[in-house]
Amino acid sequence: SQTIHQWPATLVQPVGSPLSLECTVEGTSNPNLYWYRQAAGRGLQLLFYSVGIGQISSEVPQNLSASRPQDRQFILSSKKLLLSDSGFYLCAWLPARGPTFGSGTRLTVV
Amino acid sequence: KQEVTQIPAALSVPEGENLVLNCSFTDSAIYNLQWFRQDPGKGLTSLLLIQSSQREQTSGRLNASLDKSSGRSTLYIAASQPGDSATYLCAVDSSGSSNTGKLIFGQGTTLQVKP
Repeated sequence: SQTIHQWPATLVQPVGSPLSLECTVEGTSNPNLYWYRQAAGRGLQLLFYSVGIGQISSEVPQNLSASRPQDRQFILSSKKLLLSDSGFYLCAWLPARGPTFGSGTRLTVV
Repeated sequence: KQEVTQIPAALSVPEGENLVLNCSFTDSAIYNLQWFRQDPGKGLTSLLLIQSSQREQTSGRLNASLDKSSGRSTLYIAASQPGDSATYLCAVDSSGSSNTGKLIFGQGTTLQVKP
């Protein structure tokens, strides 16, 4: 079966610390993968998407970066977190039936 | 630039009522429109996906319609139940000609169904 995994579920990090969020997909190959962020009062916004290994497109300028080291792995990173990076981060992939989302990571930068 | 708006932002109804959630979008060149449900602190669950060539989709007590020319979609929930309480998000794939998965979301409607 096709599933998407995201971890950790919650994270509290100090300002200036690094970040690494991981997303993996099972049961498919060469999926399109996406990172979305849901910030308070701003709704869901697409941050990055990837159509293959090493191929990353950024949708909005920001403090974050993304990488795709393996076919079914998508990583969201930051070298130094800002307070404004707090939010709910969702990974998604694109099966034929439409985008399917992971369970999300709640990031609080303190 | 595509913008998606959902009205109302919040809605509280007694159990058993039929209700309509509204979604509007500014650019009619969409590939599809999708309705999601989000429970507090959770990810998104896809409810209904309407392709641009379709007028509506139904699943159980849910019916979603799409009027692409006017830039509107509605989600109709019949015989609402307390378990329907959640935030409902509307999103469009605005690529126009292909399924890119690059969604533009509305801010959502938070629904509370009181027993």
